[in-house]
Amino acid sequence: NAGVTQTPKFQVLKTGQSMTLQCAQDMNHEYMSWYRQDPGMGLRLIHYSVGAGITDQGEVPNGYNVSRSTTEDFPLRLLSAAPSQTSVYFCASSYSPETANYGYTFGSGTRLTVV
Amino acid sequence: AQKITQTQPGMFVQEKEAVTLDCTYDTSDPSYGLFWYKQPSSGEMIFLIYQGSYDQQNATEGRYSLNFQKARKSANLVISASQLGDSAMYFCAMREGAYGGYNKLIFGAGTRLAVHP
Repeated sequence: NAGVTQTPKFQVLKTGQSMTLQCAQDMNHEYMSWYRQDPGMGLRLIHYSVGAGITDQGEVPNGYNVSRSTTEDFPLRLLSAAPSQTSVYFCASSYSPETANYGYTFGSGTRLTVV
Repeated sequence: AQKITQTQPGMFVQEKEAVTLDCTYDTSDPSYGLFWYKQPSSGEMIFLIYQGSYDQQNATEGRYSLNFQKARKSANLVISASQLGDSAMYFCAMREGAYGGYNKLIFGAGTRLAVHP
């Protein structure tokens, strides 16, 4: 099914470990974003990309890296996990040049716990 | 800077009644888009409705309508004939540039709606 696929769905990390959250979309969307969701704070933008090879920082980028080597994939890397990064992470994509549809599609989320 | 404010942390409504969820926004960009998303307990983000800043009419999608008051910078979501399945968290969000532009969708803190039988 077309959409945004996030893996893994759940992950437990120890403080200091690194990992990559995967995000892939098959809708030829140009824009991709990563958000984190914490209780009482809605979703906050971590990093975003307006196309392959182009990324930029959002509201809360510290401790995270991204790259966009292809249109389809936008992985989020945690360099050295900290308990403050315990959160639910959402990947979202938007804008299809073919349809001029600017709607956002969200992945199902990754629940990350750092102990 | 953009800002989205949802002042109602929680709301409840009787089944079959209408409910309004408040959202105010702040932006200096004349071109922007406003979104409402629903997040049920299962966690996925479900798109409900969109309003562009230049749209002349208020957006409607089935039982959802957006009460867009541009001068007041408010974009309240109205749910008519509430159903038990409407119980969820609701987020208001804004993007500067109504037709693309920046890829920054900024969210409010959300309102938790409970529908009582």
